[in-house]
Amino acid sequence: GAVVSQHPSRVICKSGTSVKIECRSLDFQATTMFWYRQFPKKSLMLMATSNEGSKATYEQGVEKDKFLINHASLTLSTLTVTSAHPEDSSFYICSARVGGPLHFGNGTRLTVT
Amino acid sequence: DQQVKQNSPSLSVQEGRISILNCDYTNSMFDYFLWYKKYPAEGPTFLISISSIKDKNEDGRFTVFLNKSAKHLSLHIVPSQPGDSAVYFCAASERSSGSARQLTFGSGTQLTVLP
Repeated sequence: GAVVSQHPSRVICKSGTSVKIECRSLDFQATTMFWYRQFPKKSLMLMATSNEGSKATYEQGVEKDKFLINHASLTLSTLTVTSAHPEDSSFYICSARVGGPLHFGNGTRLTVT
Repeated sequence: DQQVKQNSPSLSVQEGRISILNCDYTNSMFDYFLWYKKYPAEGPTFLISISSIKDKNEDGRFTVFLNKSAKHLSLHIVPSQPGDSAVYFCAASERSSGSARQLTFGSGTQLTVLP
């Protein structure tokens, strides 16, 4: 069964608005979660590492003011895309480690019109 | 600079035959390798992994081979089934990433198993 739950699975928003994506670890505590982004027919690109109780670590080229990450509890990390623009349209996926491998949520398809 | 490369964007095989998916990497610090399977509009699903201390790991129909000298790994699926049709991602992590073990992904290979 799923160990990482992501919500919503799909969201359409207007340019200039903000969108929040939730990532929950099910039945385990995750001090660290990872947020990835996938462009069409491209690899998954790590955006940031979400750390419970402290600031997220962003990868080079990812705007921290645009992609706000909050990891307020051991089972929940949120990614907020602020002032979304059409170029932010993408597939966003969170993940957490259970034992060895990373397990992924089902992703969120964001479309900004 | 792509540290993990999957040079074949697509692969078609006949049901029952073997599927071989290839992956090359450039970072010699990578010591843990994984294969994920992804269906459209879903997150990747972990399939199988291998540590750099091994050269082969088998799990049912899936076998991963690691050739450290060539910096190459491959995933063998045998026999292939139509349900195996998906995008397969190769991923790697290195010691320096510590317990967080961030993954670097290849660009994926679309496998189509023909009935």
